[in-house]
Amino acid sequence: DAKTTQPPSMDCAEGRAANLPCNHSTISGNEYVYWYRQIHSQGPQYIIHGLKNNETNEMASLIITEDRKSSTLILPHATLRDTAVYYCIVRGYNAGNMLTFGGGTRLMVKP
Amino acid sequence: DVKVTQSSRYLVKRTGEKVFLECVQDMDHENMFWYRQDPGLGLRLIYFSYDVKMKEKGDIPEGYSVSREKKERFSLILESASTNQTSMYLCASSSPGQGDQPQHFGDGTRLSIL
Repeated sequence: DAKTTQPPSMDCAEGRAANLPCNHSTISGNEYVYWYRQIHSQGPQYIIHGLKNNETNEMASLIITEDRKSSTLILPHATLRDTAVYYCIVRGYNAGNMLTFGGGTRLMVKP
Repeated sequence: DVKVTQSSRYLVKRTGEKVFLECVQDMDHENMFWYRQDPGLGLRLIYFSYDVKMKEKGDIPEGYSVSREKKERFSLILESASTNQTSMYLCASSSPGQGDQPQHFGDGTRLSIL
């Protein structure tokens, strides 16, 4: 699986959009971009994933650049409950079975 | 919504005990996984299963075994608990498929071995 790079921490004001970047410059054509988050003392929570096109669900939007070398997770109206560590993962179609979490971005939503 | 339920959030056991961690999912997923998560080491795969009575070793199976007698239930067994097995244990499940099927996690069991 391709390696990802994320900023170690970010702050966001409550009610504003949180934009979390991820670089995956070595991504290959059959690899998906996944986002998970982990709130302290809980299991990882799946957020969204995509291959080429931008994706949106009830939790977030995923914007993938045309060259697929980077992506941005957007939480449109961040709340205090969105404070968590966010992990960007690139996973191949034939990647095998385990997930590998890197360092992630610690998002702090402030009142 | 997918629901993966782990039997205990916190568990304290003694060295040498046989420990059972239970995981149940309600989405009829074929695939189930056991990970452990430790600070600085990230997520490490212990065992996984693609079907009932089927199991495959992950990266760190030593000291562990698993059981999958029913599709919805995947149990992790610590045969003789040791202090280095103190960790957060996470169960996950997913539909069949490869990279395009997300894994859904339970809330984890924080296990302490004294």
